[in-house]
Amino acid sequence: AQRVTQPEKLLSVFKGAPVELKCNYSYSGSPELFWYVQYSRQRLQLLLRHISRESIKGFTADLNKGETSFHLKKPFAQEEDSAMYYCALIMNRSQGNLIFGKGTKLSVKP
Amino acid sequence: DTGVSQDPRHKITKRGQNVTFRCDPISEHNRLYWYRQTLGQGPEFLTYFQNEAQLEKSRLLSDRFSAERPKGSFSTLEIQRTEQGDSAMYLCASSSQGPEQYFGPGTRLTVT
Repeated sequence: AQRVTQPEKLLSVFKGAPVELKCNYSYSGSPELFWYVQYSRQRLQLLLRHISRESIKGFTADLNKGETSFHLKKPFAQEEDSAMYYCALIMNRSQGNLIFGKGTKLSVKP
Repeated sequence: DTGVSQDPRHKITKRGQNVTFRCDPISEHNRLYWYRQTLGQGPEFLTYFQNEAQLEKSRLLSDRFSAERPKGSFSTLEIQRTEQGDSAMYLCASSSQGPEQYFGPGTRLTVT
């Protein structure tokens, strides 16, 4: 069963425009949600997690349990934000294996 | 470089051959994960080790796949009798007590 849904394969915006990458999940318990990012020719790396409620590189994400969403937002996109973004969740913290969405490719045009 | 390393980075093999990949986690990390990623998909969990114990295996891990982590340090993933459907990027990740996982660069397998 698909647990993490990222509806957009590709999102293209202009520099300075707001960005929202959507993520919805299906899980009846209390998941931990993450956003991972993969820049061109680099390895997958953690961008942020809902528990920390911090802003990284200008990105924020709020867990909405009512809508089962964890959308990633940035008010002003930069060209260096162009990358592949994956939403992921952990169902069982004692094991910690991640369940990923299919990813959204963000392209920020100059 | 103290990050997760994987070897080889690329592997081309013929159908029916066996292949083995290696992952060296960050030294103090006791948890090690293997994932597989195919084109257009996110990484999919394969298996998980806590120290040397293999604690979880995905149903994706058929009996042709075997993973080990002797002594709780590096890990190997072996695929026997490879099939074209095994072509993918194989990712390794490690973590300590927290949920943050650190990924390696991956091994790209092509089965011809």
